[in-house]
Amino acid sequence: RKEVEQDPGPFNVPEGATVAFNCTYSNSASQSFFWYRQDCRKEPKLLMSVYSSGNEDGRFTAQLNRASQYISLLIRDSKLSDSATYLCVVRSGGGFKTIFGAGTRLFVKA
Amino acid sequence: DTGVSQDPRHKITKRGQNVTFRCDPISEHNRLYWYRQTLGQGPEFLTYFQNEAQLEKSRLLSDRFSAERPKGSFSTLEIQRTEQGDSAMYLCASSLDRTGQSAYEQYFGPGTRLTVT
Repeated sequence: RKEVEQDPGPFNVPEGATVAFNCTYSNSASQSFFWYRQDCRKEPKLLMSVYSSGNEDGRFTAQLNRASQYISLLIRDSKLSDSATYLCVVRSGGGFKTIFGAGTRLFVKA
Repeated sequence: DTGVSQDPRHKITKRGQNVTFRCDPISEHNRLYWYRQTLGQGPEFLTYFQNEAQLEKSRLLSDRFSAERPKGSFSTLEIQRTEQGDSAMYLCASSLDRTGQSAYEQYFGPGTRLTVT
């Protein structure tokens, strides 16, 4: 079993739709959680950190469920520019090693 | 440009040759990471430096791979006796030494794409 698992998609949604991605992690000692966005043939860019209480940044909401070991990302009012691969990232244990999921591809269509 | 930079951006080499990549982190960042990414996968952690000290190393980093950060600023990743399976994007990231979750927020360079023929 992979340490971090994501639904690879692709998710095809119309503009204005709400879309949610889930990610599960296997190491219960994981300490930090993030969502990154990666455009085709570009480097990953930090989208948001995920805090225990959940957090929101504009149209994006991230949630953490430690008991079930999953994190989620909700995108409201999808824009064409949201089309990208969304990477779930977990810091494993007490060090600095970070584990990336394989990513979920999102296509937003007009 | 004050972001993470990597050089070269592309490298084509023949099997068995040695290659070296360079990463210049964001200037005030003292933490530096190397990753490898292949098509359809997320980045895979290779190694991590805090200043000049290499503190973590993945099992993926075989004895053909070595990374250095001699003065705690730029870093190099060398692959000796390259194999076709080494073809990938090599990404460097840096982060700032601070407290809390933001200490682990990483900023990536554009990567070096390696093709081994």
